[in-house]
This record gives sequence, C-alpha cells and structure tokens, in this order.
Amino acid sequence: NAGVMQNPRHLVRRRGQEARLRCSPMKGHSHVYWYRQLPEEGLKFMVYLQKENIIDESGMPKERFSAEFPKEGPSILRIQQVVRGDSAAYFCASSPTSGGDNEQFFGPGTRLTVL
Amino acid sequence: GENVEQHPSTLSVQEGDSAVIKCTYSDSASNYFPWYKQELGKGPQLIIDIRSNVGEKKDQRIAVTLNKTAKHFSLHITETQPEDSAVYFCAASKGSNYQLIWGAGTKLIIKP
Repeated sequence: NAGVMQNPRHLVRRRGQEARLRCSPMKGHSHVYWYRQLPEEGLKFMVYLQKENIIDESGMPKERFSAEFPKEGPSILRIQQVVRGDSAAYFCASSPTSGGDNEQFFGPGTRLTVL
Repeated sequence: GENVEQHPSTLSVQEGDSAVIKCTYSDSASNYFPWYKQELGKGPQLIIDIRSNVGEKKDQRIAVTLNKTAKHFSLHITETQPEDSAVYFCAASKGSNYQLIWGAGTKLIIKP
C-alpha cells in the first residue's frame, strides 16, 4: 500500500508565477489536510478537504491560495502570483476518517522556492 | 485557540543515554497528543500518541506521559541510538477537531 504521494518534491517559481502542488492520499483515505512548514518551525494547518468538499480552510490565506480535492485525481494546492514569503515546505496528510484523534499520514512534502 | 509550546529546541545526548522532550498545551479540551519524528528532507512520521484517558504509554524504547491537570506531556526515549537523531514534534488536538496544533520542534542530536 503506497503511502501519501506528493509531487513535485521541489518546485522553483519566479515571483508572480503560479505554483501547483499535488497530493495523492493513501488508498482508502478520503480525508486530506495541507500544512505549511517554515524552516526551524512546526507545521501550520492550512486546509482540510474531503472528496469534492472543502471542510475547513481557516488556515489558508484568503487571497492567492486555493485547494481542491476532486472526485477523481489528486488534491491540488494552488498558489497564484507567488511571492518570496510563500517559500516553504508544503506537506499533505491523509486519514481514513475525520477526527483529530485519528492518525494523519504525511507525504514527503513539496519544497517551494520563490526566486 | 490552542497553543502548544515545546522545549528544548535542541537536545544533545550521549548515545545510550535517555532523552526527554516536554510540551505544554493551553486548551483543556484537547484530548489527543501525538509525537512525530521528522528526518531531514522527509515528512513527519508518527512514533507514538496518547489520548487523555491514559497517563502513560510505552512502545519499546519510547514512552509518553500525560499530566492533564498541569496540561503537559513528555516524550521519553531510552537507550538512544544514532538513528534517533531527528527533529521531534509534539502536537495536540480535540477529538472532534481534526486540526493538529504543533509545537516548534526539538532537534535531537545523538553523540557517538
């Protein structure tokens, strides 16, 4: 059973470009979470999605950031018009059910660098 | 909202010695406390977790203790080995709330 997959692993963008980060949850998992990690810091919750639904996007900036988890295909975190401050590691996690006391399985992350 | 503080930020111990990392949380409604290990360039991996209905849990060389009254929980690693070197994160959540609130991390260095 493959784990959570994220691609690309590394992404370099120039200011003003768009970044698309993909996450395929573990097989059988329908709950996806996106987190952001700055160097030397813990992870910060961004958004929680179920298939075709955004459940909670309270941690995601209102502008330039969006997320989706379509019926078919991976979850996508999209950052429009990237700025240098968007440089970070973005991690996706999945779980089989909702609830904070269920283990979240993490992918390897996408490291975004904005030049 | 919930706030999780973690100490120390860096911990260096001799191979074979024990390591202890401590976290405090602010929201008394939190009831799930996982610990994650993150190796360089990788995603966090769950190593042990504890729920608020128990005070201690052990898994081989790793143990976690929880003091609900004081709102703190600790990770204990005994007989440390070089492969234990990594960054360790504590987190907290309420069972009904999926959001994990993370500590800032502890860089554990095992000296040979």
